[in-house]
Amino acid sequence: GAGVSQSPRYKVAKRGQDVALRCDPISGHVSLFWYQQALGQGPEFLTYFQNEAQLDKSGLPSDRFFAERPEGSVSTLKIQRTQQEDSAVYLCASSGRGEGGYTFGSGTRLTVV
Amino acid sequence: GENVEQHPSTLSVQEGDSAVIKCTYSDSASNYFPWYKQELGKRPQLIIDIRSNVGEKKDQRIAVTLNKTAKHFSLHITETQPEDSAVYFCAASKGSSYKLIFGSGTRLLVRP
Repeated sequence: GAGVSQSPRYKVAKRGQDVALRCDPISGHVSLFWYQQALGQGPEFLTYFQNEAQLDKSGLPSDRFFAERPEGSVSTLKIQRTQQEDSAVYLCASSGRGEGGYTFGSGTRLTVV
Repeated sequence: GENVEQHPSTLSVQEGDSAVIKCTYSDSASNYFPWYKQELGKRPQLIIDIRSNVGEKKDQRIAVTLNKTAKHFSLHITETQPEDSAVYFCAASKGSSYKLIFGSGTRLLVRP
């Protein structure tokens, strides 16, 4: 596609509910990143994929967070047993080979009530 | 790990004036420094980036300077316009396909 697409755009979850956030990167981009952006803060790194391989998951805040990219294109970020502190915008970004830099998606705003 | 500090947190300038935002980083292995503009409720958009093999880069009204020795880099916007009002984030990385460490952001307000 022309850009990085994320869905849903907004998600309201009750505390304890599981959620799944989807990212469709730019076609052909091998690198895919997930970031969490709390209100008024800069994005914070969660995890990174190169094709289907998850090369860095050091930013995932707890074992309730899980990400996958099984076929090296679409990625899903899953949060189990959501808590209020998980409320944030979850941004996905992709980049291709070479030095083009990232393209971010519009994000999914998660509100846990 | 890498830490990026950004100043000021808010900046208000008169239309037509210049704006300067400064960042420092801690990891000397960082070699890629992008700047992002984020309007309210929208995605961060890359406006300019610089790599460690150059000291300055310019694109129309926007320029970025890098001092590797001091580990700091700055964004300069000249002839500011109201549409420049947004939050600006600096970031540092070990390459454009590696994770970015972001600063805390600068809210720029350009007064007409």
